[in-house]
Amino acid sequence: EPEVTQTPSHQVTQMGQEVILRCVPISNHLYFYWYRQILGQKVEFLVSFYNNEISEKSEIFDDQFSVERPDGSNFTLKIRSTKLEDSAMYFCASRGQESSYEQYFGPGTRLTVT
Amino acid sequence: GQSLEQPSEVTAVEGAIVQINCTYQTSGFYGLSWYQQHDGGAPTFLSYNALDGLEETGRFSSFLSRSDSYGYLLLQELQMKDSASYFCAVKGKGSYIPTFGRGTSLIVHP
Repeated sequence: EPEVTQTPSHQVTQMGQEVILRCVPISNHLYFYWYRQILGQKVEFLVSFYNNEISEKSEIFDDQFSVERPDGSNFTLKIRSTKLEDSAMYFCASRGQESSYEQYFGPGTRLTVT
Repeated sequence: GQSLEQPSEVTAVEGAIVQINCTYQTSGFYGLSWYQQHDGGAPTFLSYNALDGLEETGRFSSFLSRSDSYGYLLLQELQMKDSASYFCAVKGKGSYIPTFGRGTSLIVHP
């Protein structure tokens, strides 16, 4: 069964450093998303991406965040200058055209900022 | 804006039936989804209701009442592996982005 994959599974970085989280969505999906989940809290939407551009973003997704689809398979989330409060699990998700609601989530990247 | 309320924790025994409620407030309504998340795992889509009534998928069913801004997830014949967090998520009109509730931790005892 096709699945969303994410790398790395765990990333430790120092405050102020840049990190890039990588995702490979399901191959025939067209809609891509990033979410984050701070430990013990709810899943929060960050950004959605379609047709090579951002379609929606939340208040959390400020200027320090950016997304890119550099080739036909990868979807990345970059955090330019990490802060302690960026420590969270980051989930990538993708959706096909056949469903307007069913998103498939990747296993997540746990980001720890020290 | 959108907000959702669901109980923080529910406990039940193996073989029982449990209902997890979700009430929501949203400016415009498009649909209510349910996701399951095991500790350390990714959310997994369970069900979606856009219209009033009950949707059944195996041991899991989901109900929606749009007039009451209320829905629930019903889990039957509980198994230990059902111990997880369950999130309801609502989509408002004009957006494909779900807003998630804070999740209900379901603990299934033997």
